[in-house]
Amino acid sequence: DAMVIQNPRYQVTQFGKPVTLSCSQTLNHNVMYWYQQKSSQAPKLLFHYYDKDFNNEADTPDNFQSRRPNTSFCFLDIRSPGLGDAAMYLCATSNSRGTLRSYEQYFGPGTRLTVT
Amino acid sequence: EDQVTQSPEALRLQEGESSSLNCSYTVSGLRGLFWYRQDPGKGPEFLFTLYSAGEEKEKERLKATLTKKESFLHITAPKPEDSATYLCALLSGGYQKVTFGTGTKLQVIP
Repeated sequence: DAMVIQNPRYQVTQFGKPVTLSCSQTLNHNVMYWYQQKSSQAPKLLFHYYDKDFNNEADTPDNFQSRRPNTSFCFLDIRSPGLGDAAMYLCATSNSRGTLRSYEQYFGPGTRLTVT
Repeated sequence: EDQVTQSPEALRLQEGESSSLNCSYTVSGLRGLFWYRQDPGKGPEFLFTLYSAGEEKEKERLKATLTKKESFLHITAPKPEDSATYLCALLSGGYQKVTFGTGTKLQVIP
């Protein structure tokens, strides 16, 4: 089945120690998103890629970076995690191309990040 | 700025007790309104897309409707397995930004 995969599902890192979360998709969607979701809150968009074009939300801290080396993969790098960065990180994809464009997002299972 | 407000924040229903969840919005240039279901510790699961006022979509016990100012998710004769947080989201603007509401946490009691 086509899907969005996130690794790892759970990540524990130390305060200030860089961490990378990964996302891959088999849907061949051209748009990929990274969201941060804290308990009982709405998913907060960090950035998204429209094809190769990177779009950073104005309030996304500089501590968060992203890479998309190809259509299928996207990475979230947190350069110096703080205690406030502990959250669920969600990757999502959508298709905005061609006759099958639909815009709805398909989410991965998320990575739960703990900062100690 | 686009805004999405969902109500109620939490809803507790007896099994079989129908109800509706509300999503009100203000947006410049709505391109789509989405409903998602999210179970604890999991990513949101897509349910419906609505594109224009008057549109309705159904799936099993769920029915989504859209007006120019709000959307409703109607749940008919809910079962305990319908317990989840239901999220509403807007697609607007010239690029692919989606704005989420904070959700309604639904609990269906046997």
